[in-house]
Amino acid sequence: GQQVMQIPQYQHVQEGEDFTTYCNSSTTLSNIQWYKQRPGGHPVFLIQLVKSGEVKKQKRLTFQFGEAKKNSSLHITATQTTDVGTYFCAARTSGTYKYIFGTGTRLKVLA
Amino acid sequence: GAVVSQHPSRVICKSGTSVKIECRSLDFQATTMFWYRQFPKKSLMLMATSNEGSKATYEQGVEKDKFLINHASLTLSTLTVTSAHPEDSSFYICSARDISLDREKLFFGSGTQLSVL
Repeated sequence: GQQVMQIPQYQHVQEGEDFTTYCNSSTTLSNIQWYKQRPGGHPVFLIQLVKSGEVKKQKRLTFQFGEAKKNSSLHITATQTTDVGTYFCAARTSGTYKYIFGTGTRLKVLA
Repeated sequence: GAVVSQHPSRVICKSGTSVKIECRSLDFQATTMFWYRQFPKKSLMLMATSNEGSKATYEQGVEKDKFLINHASLTLSTLTVTSAHPEDSSFYICSARDISLDREKLFFGSGTQLSVL
């Protein structure tokens, strides 16, 4: 079945440092979404990428969808303590409405 | 934004009993809802896709007789964990698609922490 892996599993950074998480799918995707889950909370939608090679920015967050539509990345510039949480990608293949979540990357930001 | 209400948020039950979890879309209609299971510090594992007015579609390895899903209306889906056992203890979370606002975005409930003694 479809597998969606994320690396790294964990990342500790000093406040102000940059952070990147990578999402890789075993199959070509229709679109990919990114979610953030704070400790004790539920996933919250961040963004959706649809087009091959697409790049979207949200303030300090930059999202990229690979040319082959099999991988994606989330980059945070100058992390803040409010960025703490687990970042999940969620992948959808064509012909289905369901999303398979990646393994997640847990980010800790040290003040 | 769209709101999904999940109830109860926490439940403790004895082994062998059944537990029902409700997932409601409060301000939109959801023809499709999804049920996920999440172990501590792990990812969300899709259990099943719940379609209004029809049978749920279960993922491989998920026992449909163990996890009963009912999606009787456009705003309510329920998950019943039947004859619960300690290994069923987990965080269960639902999500819904708002077909009117944004077909693709998933809105999540706040989750249910199930503990089976």
